Amino acid sequence: EIVLTQSPATLSLSPGERATLSCGASQTISRNFLAWYQQKPGLAPRLLIYDVFRRATGIPDRFSGSGSGTDFTLTISRLEPEDFAVYYCQQYVNSPLTFGGGTKVEIK
Amino acid sequence: QVQLVQSGAEVAKPGASVRVSCKASGYTFIDYYMLWVRQAPGQGLEWMGWINPKSGGTNYAQKFKGRITMTRDTSISTAYMELSSLTSDDTAVYYCMRVPCLISICSPQNWFDPWGQGTLVTVSS
Repeated sequence: EIVLTQSPATLSLSPGERATLSCGASQTISRNFLAWYQQKPGLAPRLLIYDVFRRATGIPDRFSGSGSGTDFTLTISRLEPEDFAVYYCQQYVNSPLTFGGGTKVEIK
Repeated sequence: QVQLVQSGAEVAKPGASVRVSCKASGYTFIDYYMLWVRQAPGQGLEWMGWINPKSGGTNYAQKFKGRITMTRDTSISTAYMELSSLTSDDTAVYYCMRVPCLISICSPQNWFDPWGQGTLVTVSS
């Protein structure tokens, strides 16, 4: 099973700042099979990024994904008020599918 | 518009079973794998398994084998997830979700969009 470790657990930032979220994998994730989701309280997760860097339909370009191998990053270039939420990474190269533990982006 | 609408919140006693439904609309139900994950209160996401709505074939996470059953009713475009022998550790929000491409070209190991709205299952005596 591939274990995904997200850091930091909590990121305290102000609107307008840049957010950098990390996702580390216990094994190499090949074929770019990594996605990112955003979850707000009481709602289902929403797909942001798939295949490491491809933005899902309707996702603003302030969200970007990068990385390879075992180290991946989600960057929010300039935080908007609606971006304060929890973010999860997910790998789909191996079964079982696994998710990271999440990074909470909170208002400083 | 692709939509997954799940059944309402459930309260179940320890040892009992619960069945959650997921009604699909806006696409051909039998052409896309459906998966289930759960999220315990304040916790992360846990994959439970998938069903091929066309064939009825399933694959379950090892952790749930023996007490999980995924089925579907193609006549009403609805998938079901039943979990038995419930304990308090099964208290969670359960989500269904669809893979992004046709069964004929797509693995069930994939990213997911859309997701159902979630169903809270509370196990309590």
